[in-house]
Amino acid sequence: AQSVTQPDIHITVSEGASLELRCNYSYGATPYLFWYVQSPGQGLQLLLKYFSGDTLVQGIKGFEAEFKRSQSSFNLRKPSVHWSDAAEYFCAVGAGGSYIPTFGRGTSLIVHP
Amino acid sequence: DAGVIQSPRHEVTEMGQEVTLRCKPISGHDYLFWYRQTMMRGLELLIYFNNNVPIDDSGMPEDRFSAKMPNASFSTLKIQPSEPRDSAVYFCASSLDRYQPQHFGDGTRLSIL
Repeated sequence: AQSVTQPDIHITVSEGASLELRCNYSYGATPYLFWYVQSPGQGLQLLLKYFSGDTLVQGIKGFEAEFKRSQSSFNLRKPSVHWSDAAEYFCAVGAGGSYIPTFGRGTSLIVHP
Repeated sequence: DAGVIQSPRHEVTEMGQEVTLRCKPISGHDYLFWYRQTMMRGLELLIYFNNNVPIDDSGMPEDRFSAKMPNASFSTLKIQPSEPRDSAVYFCASSLDRYQPQHFGDGTRLSIL
């Protein structure tokens, strides 16, 4: 069965520090990949997506992610975190017959001043 | 453009009562999804529709849950009878097609006493 793993439940960083959130998946075919962010009391908002082409994709709010087929990973990065980035981050992967995305469990980002 | 609209935003009711959650997807989106989010289980896909037709309801937890999409601009998720373990945040999302990112509503926070 297809699966998406976000190994870190919580990550704490200082404001201004760099950030990397991990996402691994298990699928045979080339997947469609997404990162979403969820602020408290709100729905999920798309940060970026990868369908094909350049494996380094840029998103909103200064985020980027890199698709590494050999590692089955799609890690999210930001060079300098702002306090407003504190939120829950979800990786989602669509593959197989339906391509309906499966969501990871999420990583909660805490930003210290 | 208006996003996905869910109502009500909050619902508190007593065990045994019928609960109806409502969703208006983005116009022109062919796919509609219902999710449930809890701390214990994360984000679960309950059911999704394509062109108003239910495609996969394997995530619906019990027969107490039912979902309908009578037209392209409206969907309901009904719980009858409700139980305390149904307490969660329920999200509706829509997408242009199965490959495109999903757009989420702000959710309905449901509390069953």
